[in-house]
This record gives sequence, structure tokens and C-alpha cells, in this order.
Amino acid sequence: DTEVTQTPKHLVMGMTNKKSLKCEQHMGHRAMYWYKQKAKKPPELMFVYSYEKLSINESVPSRFSPECPNSSLLNLHLHALQPEDSALYLCASSQFPGADTEAFFGQGTRLTVV
Amino acid sequence: QKEVEQNSGPLSVPEGAIASLNCTYSDRGSQSFFWYRQYSGKSPELIMSIYSNGDKEDGRFTAQLNKASQYVSLLIRDSQPSDSATYLCAVASVTGNQFYFGTGTSLTVIP
Repeated sequence: DTEVTQTPKHLVMGMTNKKSLKCEQHMGHRAMYWYKQKAKKPPELMFVYSYEKLSINESVPSRFSPECPNSSLLNLHLHALQPEDSALYLCASSQFPGADTEAFFGQGTRLTVV
Repeated sequence: QKEVEQNSGPLSVPEGAIASLNCTYSDRGSQSFFWYRQYSGKSPELIMSIYSNGDKEDGRFTAQLNKASQYVSLLIRDSQPSDSATYLCAVASVTGNQFYFGTGTSLTVIP
């Protein structure tokens, strides 16, 4: 089973709203990732969690706030977003941080900021 | 961010032909390489991983890696219309904590 589950599948939010994206995996993976993908572009890495600790932040604006409450769950808290933040947000996980490990993606959350 | 380049296409091949997808990367220390398939509006799906120089075959797919040339490719034999998608090359950093994606190649298999 290589399932990564993301909720919600679609989200529309206003620029003053606060919302959260959720990602869950039960494969025992110890590395989890958030990516952002705009139309016709490749996924862009946002954050990496290794063993529930934030290991990489790719200079993401503070209006995006990640959280890893436990080894199975990854959240992305959203606040005061801009219309240009509208994109497909992808969560991925891999067995462990390090080379020679495959990453599996969830189905994504399609976010629209109005 | 490390550079991962792909021929952007679009690439069109007739059904039953071989599709060849190419990828080059700039970080000589990269150790792990992956091919993902992404259908329009869907998330990336892992097709192949390759870690050592040479060829790796899985069904109709063959990945080829040449670390000296910093080059990785994907061959799809007996292409089917269902193979029509964008193919993303991904390279893991030396630490393995970051997967960097290429720009993707759009493939269309014509029935």
C-alpha cells in the first residue's frame, strides 16, 4: 500500500480566511513533503519534515505554516493568502530521509484564493 | 534549487512505437533518480526509480542512467494511448531530503 491521503480535494478561500490542508500516511514513512504546483509547471518543493522535524523550508512565505503533529500526519496552515497562491498543493512521503528512497504523492488539494 | 532539464516536447509518437524521454541534471553528487507520470489534473505517479549506472527494466519501461554524463532517460516500448501524459524526471539531492523535478515532457501517443 503506497497511499497518501490529502484532504480536502478542493478548497476555495478568501484572502482573509484561515484554512488548513491535511495529509496522512500509514506506511511508516518518516519523511514527508509539501509541494506546490502551478498549471503546466513541475512541482516546487516547499517544506520537508524528517522524523517529525522541519528539515527544509525553501524560503516559503510565512503565510504558509507547516506542522507535523505525529509521524503519520502533516498539515499546512494557510493564512492571508494571495490569489497567486492558487495552485495544486501536493503532499508526498518517503520511507526515510536520505538517498535511495522513493517518494509517493497524495492526490493533491486544488486551492483557489479569491 | 538544483537544475533538472528535460526536453519539453510536446512529443508525439504513433501507437506501438518507442517513446524516448530525456533528462539532464546539474548536481554531480545526485544519487537517486526517478520518473513520474502525471495525467492532467492529477498528482504525479511513480513509474521507475534508478540508482546505479546502466539500464533498469520494468515491463514496457526502461530507465537508463549515466552519472558521468549526468543523464537519465526513460524508454517506453509499445506505446499506448493511455501513456499520453506529462513525464517528470526527479532527482534526489545528495542528502536525499529534496526531490527536484524537471520541467516535464508532454507525451501524446497517437492511435
